[in-house]
Amino acid sequence: GGIITQTPKFLIGQEGQKLTLKCQQNFNHDTMYWYRQDSGKGLRLIYYSITENDLQKGDLSEGYDASREKKSSFSLTVTSAQKNEMAVFLCASSPGTANTGQLYFGEGSKLTVL
Amino acid sequence: QQQVRQSPQSLTVWEGETAILNCSYENSAFDYFPWYQQFPGEGPALLISILSVSNKKEDGRFTIFFNKREKKLSLHIADSQPGDSATYFCAANYGNEKITFGAGTKLTIKP
Repeated sequence: GGIITQTPKFLIGQEGQKLTLKCQQNFNHDTMYWYRQDSGKGLRLIYYSITENDLQKGDLSEGYDASREKKSSFSLTVTSAQKNEMAVFLCASSPGTANTGQLYFGEGSKLTVL
Repeated sequence: QQQVRQSPQSLTVWEGETAILNCSYENSAFDYFPWYQQFPGEGPALLISILSVSNKKEDGRFTIFFNKREKKLSLHIADSQPGDSATYFCAANYGNEKITFGAGTKLTIKP
């Protein structure tokens, strides 16, 4: 089996700060995802990547940058943290075509902005 | 506009009863519908899924009923156990890597 590792697990930032979240997977999966989870709003797709150096925008990409420099890693940057923002960011991977495979999620990175 | 809607937002049933979680969608092109289960402090994990060519999928105590004409589906959890208490997400996609999730149903099973 494989594992998705997200770092850090908890991140506290200041308003306006640039913050980066990292994700590593050892499944050797092609596709990786970043989702944002807010209470009562489910999971919203920020960015995904179908291969190394590929980036595809999701529904919530404004205010974020992403980078897929290696097949095994996918990072997400909050370009300017918003005051009182609180959310969980979930990284996931899948082997390829999403409608025949499944997403494997990490445990999440919880962001709090003071 | 939310493309995948779930109801109810929260549901409480007694142990041994059948819990019914509902999902509807807007995009008639969606053809794959996975349900994910999430426990507190963990990421979601795939529970069961269905393709739009089927109207029913069973896996043990978990059954998906799918109505393509009405663009609705439901997850039935038979003989509910306290360990089934979790948040359940309905999701959908149509042949690409972009999966759309609903807002989730928080299920509580009372012993």
